[in-house]
Amino acid sequence: DAKTTQPTSMDCAEGRAANLPCNHSTISGNEYVYWYRQIHSQGPQYIIHGLKNNETNEMASLIITEDRKSSTLILPHATLRDTAVYYCIVRAGAGSYQLTFGKGTKLSVIP
Amino acid sequence: DAGVTQSPTHLIKTRGQQVTLRCSPKSGHDTVSWYQQALGQGPQFIFQYYEEEERQRGNFPDRFSGHQFPNYSSELNVNALLLGDSALYLCASSFVGTGGESGYTFGSGTRLTVV
Repeated sequence: DAKTTQPTSMDCAEGRAANLPCNHSTISGNEYVYWYRQIHSQGPQYIIHGLKNNETNEMASLIITEDRKSSTLILPHATLRDTAVYYCIVRAGAGSYQLTFGKGTKLSVIP
Repeated sequence: DAGVTQSPTHLIKTRGQQVTLRCSPKSGHDTVSWYQQALGQGPQFIFQYYEEEERQRGNFPDRFSGHQFPNYSSELNVNALLLGDSALYLCASSFVGTGGESGYTFGSGTRLTVV
């Protein structure tokens, strides 16, 4: 699975959009981009995933560049409960079962 | 609808002992994965079970073994515990019918301390 690069930490004001970047320059054509987050003392929580097109669900939006070498997770209106470590993971589809977590980005939402 | 359930939540063991951790997957899920998360690090994949067999394994020694039961629940066994095995052990489940592309549901983990 391709490696990812994320900033170590970020701050975001409550109510503003949080934009979390991820670089995955060695991504292959069959690899998906997944985002998970982990709130302190809990297990990781699935947020969203995508292959080529931008995706949106009730939690977030995922913007993938046309060359697929980077992506951005957008939390449209961050709340204090969004304070967590966010992991960007690149994983092949069928036949690849493991998630390879890096150190992620520690997002702090500030009141 | 219950999510992934893990037991116990906390455990203290002595070096050299053996430990068994348990996981019940989310209703409707049939695959179970185990991860180890050391303090300050991201989770590391141990192995995944499907149809009661281990179908993928991460870079962990044979001291780590598992089992999946017909009801899809799973156990993680660690023999000859080392101090370095102290970590949060996470269980994640999914439904294989999605082609492996859906997200995994994680439990809250078992905190193992080896003294």
